[in-house]
Amino acid sequence: EDQVTQSPEALRLQEGESSSLNCSYTVSGLRGLFWYRQDPGKGPEFLFTLYSAGEEKEKERLKATLTKKESFLHITAPKPEDSATYLCAVRGQNYIPTFGRGTSLIVHP
Amino acid sequence: GAVVSQHPSWVICKSGTSVKIECRSLDFQATTMFWYRQFPKQSLMLMATSNEGSKATYEQGVEKDKFLINHASLTLSTLTVTSAHPEDSSFYICSASPGTTFETQYFGPGTRLLVL
Repeated sequence: EDQVTQSPEALRLQEGESSSLNCSYTVSGLRGLFWYRQDPGKGPEFLFTLYSAGEEKEKERLKATLTKKESFLHITAPKPEDSATYLCAVRGQNYIPTFGRGTSLIVHP
Repeated sequence: GAVVSQHPSWVICKSGTSVKIECRSLDFQATTMFWYRQFPKQSLMLMATSNEGSKATYEQGVEKDKFLINHASLTLSTLTVTSAHPEDSSFYICSASPGTTFETQYFGPGTRLLVL
């Protein structure tokens, strides 16, 4: 059974204070690891897809990295508008996506 | 960018009634649509995958007779929660893909269902 565990559950940062969110996973035959941003009461917004260990992707203040067991979402010099819940999901050889519970990020001005 | 809408955004109903939720792709043709359910502080759970013109594929543990999915056109899919009960109260989110893969899905804003 595919599993995704995200940590921490909640994170409070000061504006400009860089940090990382963790997504640990077990999956049979990784077909993709996905990061999404979800604002309260809204659907997820796609951020990144990573397919193989060593792969990295960047978008503005966000950078996602992938190893064989986990992925990190690094947030550099965050701003209050980065406050959201960040979701990680994996898709294995059964092609059914498994989502983590998310990390709720609050960035204080 | 690709836009997906859901209607209604909020619905409150009495136990035993049926509720229909619409999911529309506004600026692209959605070959595949996905329906998810999200309980508070829980993960997003895939309920079913639907392809236009064919029957939906339901995930294990999802009752197909309770959650009726219709994907009658390339821009519209509907989820009907039949004989809703309080335990069906949840946040229902659809996503749509112009292809057949999970990778290119665009999520709708979600529908919050409260069954009294």
